[in-house]
Order: sequence, then C-alpha cells, then structure tokens
Amino acid sequence: SQQGEEDPQALSIQEGENATMNCSYKTSINNLQWYRQNSGRGLVHLILIRSNEREKHSGRLRVTLDTSKKSSSLLITASRAADTASYFCATANFGNEKLTFGTGTRLTIIP
Amino acid sequence: KAGVTQTPRYLIKTRGQQVTLSCSPISGHRSVSWYQQTPGQGLQFLFEYFSETQRNKGNFPGRFSGRQFSNSRSEMNVSTLELGDSALYLCASSLGSADGETQYFGPGTRLLVL
Repeated sequence: SQQGEEDPQALSIQEGENATMNCSYKTSINNLQWYRQNSGRGLVHLILIRSNEREKHSGRLRVTLDTSKKSSSLLITASRAADTASYFCATANFGNEKLTFGTGTRLTIIP
Repeated sequence: KAGVTQTPRYLIKTRGQQVTLSCSPISGHRSVSWYQQTPGQGLQFLFEYFSETQRNKGNFPGRFSGRQFSNSRSEMNVSTLELGDSALYLCASSLGSADGETQYFGPGTRLLVL
C-alpha cells in the first residue's frame, strides 16, 4: 500500500514560475526522498531529507519536512520545460531499504 | 560508473506464461530492490535482496519471486501471468546499509500481458 498522498495530482505552470508540490505520509520515518520520473521511465533521485532536518536545498530545489504534521513539500524555482515530469515522494524507515511511494504529482511546464 | 541496467526493456507475454526479468546494479552496490508501477496502484515495493538473501518483502502473491547472485545481479520471476501483472517493473540498487538510503533506479522493464 502507498504511504500517503501527494497534492496536487497535476500542476501546469508557465516556464519561469515556481512549482510547489506537497506530500503527506502516515507513519514515522527515517527519511523522506523525492524522485522525478519522465514519461514512464526510471526514477531519478532528487533529494533526501532526514527526519531530524526541517529544510534542505539542492540547486533550484527546496524541500521542507514537518514531522509533526507528517508532511513535506518540494519547491522548484524558476521552472524550465525540462522539469516537465512526474514527481514522487518516498518514505524510508529504519532497518531496511524499502521505499514507500506517494501517488505522485504530474508537473507540466508550459514554454 | 555505469548505472543500473534492466533487461529486457519491453516484453509481451500471454496469460499463464511465466517471465524472468534481470537487473544489474551499480558496481559496488549490494542491495537490489524491485518495484511494480501501474496506473491504478502506483509504485509498489515487491522485495529487496542483499548479499543473495531476501531481506524484505512486499505484499505480493507467491507468483512473484526473485533471487540475487553473488555478483549482486538480480532476477525476478513472475509465474502464471495474469492480465493485472501488466506494469512497469523497476529495480533499484543501493549500498545496502538498511538505513533507507538513496536508491538508484534502472529504466524499467515494461511488461504487457495479453
């Protein structure tokens, strides 16, 4: 079963705008990760945030984690056409490598 | 380093047949996990292998099985295929610290069951 939901399910924005995606999960976690998937291909790891971290940056990506609300958000700034993809959050627990994925957000950047 | 590779990339089978998918992890990675992705159920964890042993298993029927070889390459097998097994099967590799580390995914095998 999936860990939780992502919101929105789909998002269309103009190139250059910022995109924000939200993820909620159900159980306590070791870390939360975000992945990108282009057109039904393999997933590409974007960023990992540990349960004791609140915010993390990587290039144009900013991730926040609120363990009290069991939620995370991914912000992509200054979007580009190449950012068009599906984005998934995934949670990991201690003691194993299993990732539990959210439902995903389909992001479309309009040139 | 070369990335995770999966073969074959596409496969068409009929109901009742069996299929074997292969995954070669990144050199040095000892953990291989398998996931099934369908439009209805999303990404679902199948199982994880580490040092030739199944370390974790998802909630799939016994028709789904796997194994890992001494060189960390992994195969998964699905027997008695059903229409609902049509999916993208993804494998992922990692060092295997069992601490929920970053997974590196292959391009996937798209299986169509007719």
